[in-house]
Amino acid sequence: AQSVTQPDIHITVSEGASLELRCNYSYGATPYLFWYVQSPGQGLQLLLKYFSGDTLVQGIKGFEAEFKRSQSSFNLRKPSVHWSDAAEYFCAVGSGGYQKVTFGTGTKLQVIP
Amino acid sequence: DVKVTQSSRYLVKRTGEKVFLECVQDMDHENMFWYRQDPGLGLRLIYFSYDVKMKEKGDIPEGYSVSREKKERFSLILESASTNQTSMYLCATDRDRESYGYTFGSGTRLTVV
Repeated sequence: AQSVTQPDIHITVSEGASLELRCNYSYGATPYLFWYVQSPGQGLQLLLKYFSGDTLVQGIKGFEAEFKRSQSSFNLRKPSVHWSDAAEYFCAVGSGGYQKVTFGTGTKLQVIP
Repeated sequence: DVKVTQSSRYLVKRTGEKVFLECVQDMDHENMFWYRQDPGLGLRLIYFSYDVKMKEKGDIPEGYSVSREKKERFSLILESASTNQTSMYLCATDRDRESYGYTFGSGTRLTVV
C-alpha cells in the first residue's frame, strides 16, 4: 500500500529565509506526487504535481519540488518565504489510473518577521 | 476555474441524527471524493466515486454512506451521527482517471454533540 511521511509536524522560519519541507513516500512503481497548501479554515489548494519527466517541478506561489527516486523523496522548496506562506502543507502520493490519493499528516509552517 | 461548493461551512448536530453533507462541482469532473481531516491524522478517504452509478469505499467508510445521483453532486451521509464523527469534512474532485490534481471545497466543520 502506498504511504506518505512528513517528518516535520511544525516548522518556523524567518521571513525572507529559504524553506524546505520534507516528504518521503512509499510506492512500488513510479508515483504521482503532489503538494497542497491549506490556509487556516480553508480547503486545500494544489501547489504542484509530478507525474513524469523533469524531476524538478515548478508550482504556484514560487514553490518548487524535486523528485528523487533513490531517496523516495519529494521535498518542497522556496528560496524566500513570505509571511503569507504561513499555512499547513500536505504531501500526497497517487497511483495513477483511477486515482486514490494518500495524504501525509501535514507540516504546519510558521513565518516570523 | 473549477468550483467545488460544500453546502455548509459549519454544522452542529445531535448524536443519533442522520446528517447530509452536500458537495456540488460545476466543471463536469468525473471523480469525486470525501475526506475527513483530523489534527495529527491528515486527510483520510471515506468514499469516492468515478461515475454517477458508482461508489467505492475508502479507508474509513464505517458509519458513512454516499449518494451520487447526478454527476455534479456527491453527498456524504452519516446514518446515525456520533461524537467521534466530529471533524472537518472535505470534498474533492478530479477531472478523470489520469488525475490532474484535486480541487477541494472549503470544507464543512461538523460538530456532533
